[in-house]
Amino acid sequence: AQSVTQLGSHVSVSEGALVLLRCNYSSSVPPYLFWYVQYPNQGLQLLLKYTSAATLVKGINGFEAEFKKSETSFHLTKPSAHMSDAAEYFCAVSDFRNQGGKLIFGQGTELSVKP
Amino acid sequence: SQTIHQWPATLVQPVGSPLSLECTVEGTSNPNLYWYRQAAGRGLQLLFYSVGIGQISSEVPQNLSASRPQDRQFILSSKKLLLSDSGFYLCAWEPGTGYRNEQFFGPGTRLTVL
Repeated sequence: AQSVTQLGSHVSVSEGALVLLRCNYSSSVPPYLFWYVQYPNQGLQLLLKYTSAATLVKGINGFEAEFKKSETSFHLTKPSAHMSDAAEYFCAVSDFRNQGGKLIFGQGTELSVKP
Repeated sequence: SQTIHQWPATLVQPVGSPLSLECTVEGTSNPNLYWYRQAAGRGLQLLFYSVGIGQISSEVPQNLSASRPQDRQFILSSKKLLLSDSGFYLCAWEPGTGYRNEQFFGPGTRLTVL
């Protein structure tokens, strides 16, 4: 069975500092991996996805993530945090062979950005 | 372009009352459709998904049900709401072919059961 673990339910950084949100997955087959962002009282927006092409994936708003098979990780990073990055971030995994592509989500990490 | 709508945006209902949440998708055909629930302080829980009209798969047994009467319409229902049904309900769609597993989410419905 697939699963996702996000380390740290809350992460706080200063504006301009590096953002690192951790995600580890468990999958018996090559996974598809996703990062979504959720602003308060809104739906989820896709930041980036890994679908077995390049291991370093660039997304929107300056975020990127690196797929590391040996570490079963897909950590999300951004070199310099902005106040507008404050939101909740979800990592998700899916078995690409599923006809109905069920996503398994992590519990989420709330990112706070201090001025 | 494709858009996804959910209504109502917010809902306050008494315990034991019925529920009907609606989700519609525009600009695409034969999408896979999903209902998720997000409880306070918790992640997203997949409730139902559908790969076609009348085809519903349930992930978690509970007092909720889903229906897909039309290709781009997905409805979440309950006959009698429980306090534990409170949460943020999200509908999502995925292309039936092509960009497999990339899901696009609606704006959500905030349900409070009192």
